[in-house]
Amino acid sequence: GESVGLHLPTLSVQEGDNSIINCAYSNSASDYFIWYKQESGKGPQFIIDIRSNMDKRQGQRVTVLLNKTVKHLSLQIAATQPGDSAVYFCAENRNQGGKLIFGQGTELSVKP
Amino acid sequence: NAGVMQNPRHLVRRRGQEARLRCSPMKGHSHVYWYRQLPEEGLKFMVYLQKENIIDESGMPKERFSAEFPKEGPSILRIQQVVRGDSAAYFCASSPLDSATNEKLFFGSGTQLSVL
Repeated sequence: GESVGLHLPTLSVQEGDNSIINCAYSNSASDYFIWYKQESGKGPQFIIDIRSNMDKRQGQRVTVLLNKTVKHLSLQIAATQPGDSAVYFCAENRNQGGKLIFGQGTELSVKP
Repeated sequence: NAGVMQNPRHLVRRRGQEARLRCSPMKGHSHVYWYRQLPEEGLKFMVYLQKENIIDESGMPKERFSAEFPKEGPSILRIQQVVRGDSAAYFCASSPLDSATNEKLFFGSGTQLSVL
């Protein structure tokens, strides 16, 4: 079964605030993690990735943190905007070729 | 550089009919993956193919489902004798030729299959 899961199914934030979306994984052999954003009626869109030899990686307004000790992954979105409203999925690669295992997803809602 | 192209965008079938979903990977990509997504759920891996080869089909149902990625043309996900439980969004993703290192997948917009 799937082992990548999210702590909260929904998250509501005020525009301009920072958002933090969490993800837990169980396979210590996983060495590559990705966050995807999925808007209604669309396919998943790549946001940011991180390899297991890193603890933190920053992109434009987004930061991914990886804690291998407790098998936890988080996505931080700075100054959240209405356009950030979507479902966010974490995914892991367990060294099984390119296959990614997805979590259930967190729906982010941004209030203006 | 066009992205991953899937068609049709929406597909309606009656129980017992066949469904064929097509996927053209991004230019230069030779790895194709199919995922299924039920409403308000995550994406579930189905199958991973390279040109003319099935690499990993551990997520494919044992019956009625098949996939191919021929030397020429798109990848096809085929569902025979569809049932209502097959109703879902089916996403295709692709990645570059060199998958020796883990790579992010690029997803298409999906095919929404509805079985009446």
